[in-house]
Amino acid sequence: GENVEQHPSTLSVQEGDSAVIKCTYSDSASNYFPWYKQELGKRPQLIIDIRSNVGEKKDQRIAVTLNKTAKHFSLHITETQPEDSAVYFCAASRDNDMRFGAGTRLTVKP
Amino acid sequence: DGGITQSPKYLFRKEGQNVTLSCEQNLNHDAMYWYRQDPGQGLRLIYYSQIVNDFQKGDIAEGYSVSREKKESFPLTVTSAQKNPTAFYLCASSMLGGMNTEAFFGQGTRLTVV
Repeated sequence: GENVEQHPSTLSVQEGDSAVIKCTYSDSASNYFPWYKQELGKRPQLIIDIRSNVGEKKDQRIAVTLNKTAKHFSLHITETQPEDSAVYFCAASRDNDMRFGAGTRLTVKP
Repeated sequence: DGGITQSPKYLFRKEGQNVTLSCEQNLNHDAMYWYRQDPGQGLRLIYYSQIVNDFQKGDIAEGYSVSREKKESFPLTVTSAQKNPTAFYLCASSMLGGMNTEAFFGQGTRLTVV
C-alpha cells in the first residue's frame, strides 16, 4: 500500500516567518494530495488540496507544490500567525484509498 | 455540524471486551473510512469502504472489524484481539468519482481500555 512520510515532525517559527512542510509518497498511481489542519481537541479539516494534473496551487497565505517525478509535495505557509499553530497532516490518495503522514506540529511564536 | 457524527465521544471498556464505535453521515457520501490516531503516529488507516457491503483493509486492520450495511453507517468493532486498543478513533467520509475528493471527519471517539 501507499506509504507517506512527512517532515519535520515539529516546526517552530516566529510570527510573520514562512513555514514549509514536506511529504513524500511511494505509490506513483496516487493522484490526490490533501493537507489537513488539526487544532487541539478538534477534528482534522482540509486546508488545501492538489491533484496530480496540477503542479502548484495557492490560496491566500497557503500554497502547495507537487513534483510527480520525485513523488513529493510540500505545504508552504507565508506570513505565519499564532492561529496557524496546529498539527498539519499531508495525505496521498488513490481510488479513495487515503493514507496520511505522521503529522507536523507547527508552533508560531508571537 | 459537518454531517458526520461519531458516538460516543468518550468510551471506557474493560480489557477483553469487544466494543463498537458508531459513525453516521448524512452527506450522501459513498466512501467511508476509519483511522486510528496515536501521538506522533499520525492517522493510520484501519478500514475503508467505497460501497455498501464492501470494505477493504487498511494498514492496521488486525483486531478490528467493520460492516457497511447502509450507505450512511460504518460502525467499527474493536475486538479483544486488538492488543493495544486505547487510542483516538476518527471516522471520515468522502464522495466517489473520477477524481478523489475531500474527506470530512467526525469529531472522534476516545477509547480507553482499562
